[in-house]
Order: sequence, then structure tokens, then C-alpha cells
Amino acid sequence: DTEVTQTPKHLVMGMTNKKSLKCEQHMGHRAMYWYKQKAKKPPELMFVYSYEKLSINESVPSRFSPECPNSSLLNLHLHALQPEDSALYLCASSPGDSETQYFGPGTRLLVL
Amino acid sequence: DQQVKQNSPSLSVQEGRISILNCDYTNSMFDYFLWYKKYPAEGPTFLISISSIKDKNEDGRFTVFLNKSAKHLSLHIVPSQPGDSAVYFCAASGNTGNQFYFGTGTSLTVIP
Repeated sequence: DTEVTQTPKHLVMGMTNKKSLKCEQHMGHRAMYWYKQKAKKPPELMFVYSYEKLSINESVPSRFSPECPNSSLLNLHLHALQPEDSALYLCASSPGDSETQYFGPGTRLLVL
Repeated sequence: DQQVKQNSPSLSVQEGRISILNCDYTNSMFDYFLWYKKYPAEGPTFLISISSIKDKNEDGRFTVFLNKSAKHLSLHIVPSQPGDSAVYFCAASGNTGNQFYFGTGTSLTVIP
């Protein structure tokens, strides 16, 4: 298995909803990442987990809450989002620190 | 402050010709560089990487050149094919942990 999977593919939510994005990899990678990407912009790093511990949190609002239940799974819990949070949310993993990151297909999120 | 820059937002090339995508960086501590290709509404796909101990890396039709003194790297695609039409991002990292810095992307169109 050489891919990063993300579910759901698309998500529409209201500003009062609570939802979760899921990411999974079975490549034995020890680092996992959440990125946010707006149209025609580069991916913006949100969170990094290294060996299941949160190692980087790029000043992301608390309405985004990451969770790493185990080395293969990464969740992003969403609560009380704003319309400007609408974006493509990308998960990535890498074998270790500072190594090539492999991206999932993304979840396209629309907040109404 | 954008540490990785791609100054050409778009590039059009005739099929069969060479595509050259450029990337500049400002941080002399960066020592590992990658190129990603991205189709709309999909996650970035890793293409090719180069570490600072090399000045060239080749993989099939793709070659990355690194000029450390100029803090410049380029991606050459020869011959260009219509399926290469996508947005190309360069990314860089240093010995600062897991963070990769992405350029703003260049949209390549290969004209049949």
C-alpha cells in the first residue's frame, strides 16, 4: 500500500456543525501532516505529527483540532468553522522528519 | 515572508518541446528540495527531489537542477506532453525539522 487516503472527498457543513476529516496511510511513515490549500495558492502547513506526537502547530485557530490515534491515522476535528475556512484540506505523510512528503487526494470543504 | 518563490505564475509550451520551471529560495539553510505536480481538486503528486550535495537529478523526462550559489532550482521536462499540463510547486526544507516551504506554483500548459 503506497498511498495516503482521505475521507470524505467532499464535505459541506454549516457554521454550527461538528465534523471530522480522516487520513490514513499504511506505509509505515512516522510523520503526518495537515495542510490547507486555497485556490491558486500553495499548501499552508497547519499541523505536524511526528511519532504520534504533535510537533508543529502553525498558529491554527482552535476550531481546528488534530488527533493522531495511532501511527497510521490522522484526524482533523472541525467545529464552528467560518466560511473563509472553505478550502482543500490535504493530508501528507513522510517516512521521517524532513523527508519527501506524500499527499492524499484532499477533502474539499465548503462552509456555509 | 515567502522563502520559496516561483516568479512565473504560468507557462505555455508546445508539445515535444522543453518546459523549464524555475524556483528561487532565500534561506541558505535549505538543503532538500522537491517538485510536486498538482491537478485541480487533487493532492500534490511528488515528482522529483534533490539534496544540496548534488546539482542535478534526473528521472525519465524530468530533470532538476540546483544552483546553490544562486539559490535557484529548475525543473526541466523533455519532451513535454499534454498530460504534463498542471500546476507545479517547488518545496524546500532545511535542518529545522518537518517543515517544507512551498512556492506559489507555476501553471504549465502543454499545447498539442
